[in-house]
Amino acid sequence: KQEVTQIPAALSVPEGENLVLNCSFTDSAIYNLQWFRQDPGKGLTSLLLIQSSQREQTSGRLNASLDKSSGRSTLYIAASQPGDSATYLCAVSPRNTNAGKSTFGDGTTLTVKP
Amino acid sequence: EAQVTQNPRYLITVTGKKLTVTCSQNMNHEYMSWYRQDPGLGLRQIYYSMNVEVTDKGDVPEGYKVSRKEKRNFPLILESPSPNQTSLYFCASSFGGHQKETQYFGPGTRLLVL
Repeated sequence: KQEVTQIPAALSVPEGENLVLNCSFTDSAIYNLQWFRQDPGKGLTSLLLIQSSQREQTSGRLNASLDKSSGRSTLYIAASQPGDSATYLCAVSPRNTNAGKSTFGDGTTLTVKP
Repeated sequence: EAQVTQNPRYLITVTGKKLTVTCSQNMNHEYMSWYRQDPGLGLRQIYYSMNVEVTDKGDVPEGYKVSRKEKRNFPLILESPSPNQTSLYFCASSFGGHQKETQYFGPGTRLLVL
């Protein structure tokens, strides 16, 4: 059974700092990996989707990488801002007959202090 | 505006009283899914649907039913709600028949079962 782990559970940084969030998964037979942002009491917003054949994806100040063989993904946030404060979750989809399944990590709660 | 809508957004009910949470998307997505989010347990998949009339169990399907009679709608049915189904529920959708792509989430339904 796929397990997804995100470390650390919480992170606090001063504004302007570059930071990395980590996501690891136990089964490397994935189709894609997606990073989401969740604000308190709100739904999830998709940030980046990486297909299993890709190594990284970029959107603005965000860069997500994928190393399928080691079962790891990182989300790099450059020049962090207070508005980046949220919980960040990663989710993997399997490359098999259970393609509809999604397994989420528990998330990393990021606080960016002004 | 492309979106996933859920109704109701908040619901308080009593044990055993059947309820339905509706989910609708206007993006012509084949794939739809239901999740629940609980403190300390993260986001867990209840049911998903790869297309009309095709549904399958996620990781926590007990006590729930779904149907997919139309492409745009995917209601979640609790035939006899119990207090352990108190949770925050999210509906999501994406393109993809065999494999889903970027998932778009609804705003969530907060359910309290007394």
